[in-house]
Amino acid sequence: GAVVSQHPSWVICKSGTSVKIECRSLDFQATTMFWYRQFPKQSLMLMATSNEGSKATYEQGVEKDKFLINHASLTLSTLTVTSAHPEDSSFYICSASRGGKTNEKLFFGSGTQLSVL
Amino acid sequence: AQRVTQPEKLLSVFKGAPVELKCNYSYSGSPELFWYVQYSRQRLQLLLRHISRESIKGFTADLNKGETSFHLKKPFAQEEDSAMYYCALRIGTSYGKLTFGQGTILTVHP
Repeated sequence: GAVVSQHPSWVICKSGTSVKIECRSLDFQATTMFWYRQFPKQSLMLMATSNEGSKATYEQGVEKDKFLINHASLTLSTLTVTSAHPEDSSFYICSASRGGKTNEKLFFGSGTQLSVL
Repeated sequence: AQRVTQPEKLLSVFKGAPVELKCNYSYSGSPELFWYVQYSRQRLQLLLRHISRESIKGFTADLNKGETSFHLKKPFAQEEDSAMYYCALRIGTSYGKLTFGQGTILTVHP
């Protein structure tokens, strides 16, 4: 099956620094990727839709300037948490969409655990 | 606003017993629902979607619009079914725009 690679698996950073998370579709082209956030013992929450070659679409309540998304190629989307603070500590997951309207499938990355000290 | 509710955080059954994971939703549009599963140390993956009306690994789920439910059922649970299960509602044109339920951890005891 299709594989989505997410890197890094975990990252620890100091408060005020920026962290970049990569999401790659390894064996297919993904014009659309998605970023989710999951707090401990809570559900996944869609943060934004990443569109290749255009601006990301953010869900209500998600700060665009805090969570920068870049989808520069058909196989790579990046999420940069800027000026990270402890409250940004969370599990971030990406997914990539493959297929057309009738057979679209979603493939998930393995997630990134971010801890901000 | 759309919402997906999975009332049980934990569910334990014995091998061979029937299992039902509950999911209720609220959505003003035409609902399209999914069940995703996450096995231990693995990534989230699609289990089934209501429009396919398929049975995967013995699991089935029927969309009941009257009760706004999409419960996941299996007549005879197996130990390898132990996992986290998420019910999800599609809220956009793409399958990635999903609202997830809180998840249910299913444990099947030998």
